[in-house]
Amino acid sequence: EVQLVETGGGLVQPGRSLKLSCVASGFTFNNYWMSWTRQAPGKGLEWVASITNSGGSTYYPDSVKGRFTISRDNAQNTLYLQMNSLRSEDTATYYCTRGLYRYNLNWFAYWGQGTLVTVSS
Amino acid sequence: DIQMTQSPSFLSASLGNSITITCHASQNIKGWLAWYQQKSGNAPELLIYKASSLQSGVPSRFSGSGSGTDYILTISNLQPEDIATYYCQHYQSFPLTFGSGTKLEIK
Repeated sequence: EVQLVETGGGLVQPGRSLKLSCVASGFTFNNYWMSWTRQAPGKGLEWVASITNSGGSTYYPDSVKGRFTISRDNAQNTLYLQMNSLRSEDTATYYCTRGLYRYNLNWFAYWGQGTLVTVSS
Repeated sequence: DIQMTQSPSFLSASLGNSITITCHASQNIKGWLAWYQQKSGNAPELLIYKASSLQSGVPSRFSGSGSGTDYILTISNLQPEDIATYYCQHYQSFPLTFGSGTKLEIK
């Protein structure tokens, strides 16, 4: 059974940093691209970052580019999201996602339960 | 960037009826579209991928269609468990973007 478990959320002051983790199990982690998607309270979904299965390439929307870094440790089956220079608009539940098929970017078939990040002074 | 315009934002329908939700892309996304269902307090779930392929385990009451820039999610024979918010998302290129969502209520 595919499982994605996010941790690391919490309350953080504007301008500070936070690192999220997502531990994966139930599949061969290094075969899949992984992504982060977020959802502000009461709002819609926003894609945040994706990383290739090898970790060699990463992708971001302009809203987080230069502030957020996605990475992975394939030996530990763990995905990360390093978030720097946090802003109030980064307040959201952050979901770790996996594609349906191996080796390329595709449909987010598996989602974690999410971890809440609150940016406030 | 490709913009996804989803409509309606809110929908109220009766049990047993059918509904449609539309998603318009600002450019041709060549069928690279997914539909998700999100029930209150839960993570989204994949319903449809590649515009019309039904994800494993999803009831056949759900169907997707469309091509180019215009796509439709149809739910037939509405059931109480279909109360949720529905989102489209394109995968044509980065940045990936979602529609703004359609909240479905059962009358």
